[in-house]
Amino acid sequence: AQSVTQLGSHVSVSEGALVLLRCNYSSSVPPYLFWYVQYPNQGLQLLLKYTSAATLVKGINGFEAEFKKSETSFHLTKPSAHMSDAAEYFCAVTWGAGSYQLTFGKGTKLSVIP
Amino acid sequence: GAVVSQHPSWVICKSGTSVKIECRSLDFQATTMFWYRQFPKQSLMLMATSNEGSKATYEQGVEKDKFLINHASLTLSTLTVTSAHPEDSSFYICSARDPGQGRPNEQFFGPGTRLTVL
Repeated sequence: AQSVTQLGSHVSVSEGALVLLRCNYSSSVPPYLFWYVQYPNQGLQLLLKYTSAATLVKGINGFEAEFKKSETSFHLTKPSAHMSDAAEYFCAVTWGAGSYQLTFGKGTKLSVIP
Repeated sequence: GAVVSQHPSWVICKSGTSVKIECRSLDFQATTMFWYRQFPKQSLMLMATSNEGSKATYEQGVEKDKFLINHASLTLSTLTVTSAHPEDSSFYICSARDPGQGRPNEQFFGPGTRLTVL
């Protein structure tokens, strides 16, 4: 079965520290991968996406992610955490160019400590 | 571009009543819209996929008669929770796909609707 797994339901970092949120997928076909951010009582905002072009993807708010096929991973990073980065982050995947349904990971709550 | 709105943003209703939630694509035509449900501190669960002019496709375990979905136009989909009960209280989020933007695999999300059933 195809799936996406986010390791760590809760991650805490100090302000200014590296942010690393992990996402692994399992798929028999090339995936399209997404990272979304959700602030309390709000919808989802797209941070970045991988759609089979460059493996290192840069997104908004200083985030980036690298698609590693050999590791079936798409981890989200940011060099320096800001207080405003505190939110819930979801990794999501669709499979194939004709696939529209998103499968979400369980989410990782990021806390930023001042 | 690719803005999706939801109305209302929150609603409180009595048990046994029906509630309608609207999802609109404001600046594009959405051939496909999706409805998700999110419980507190959990991920999004896909409830159904609706295509304009046809019946919605419901995910396994989602009651079709309880969660009525109508996608009557290319910019509007509605979710009606019929005979709502407290266990239906949740955060409902819609999303839409814009095939015209060259981003067919991307979904654009609405801000969500918080439903509380007393």
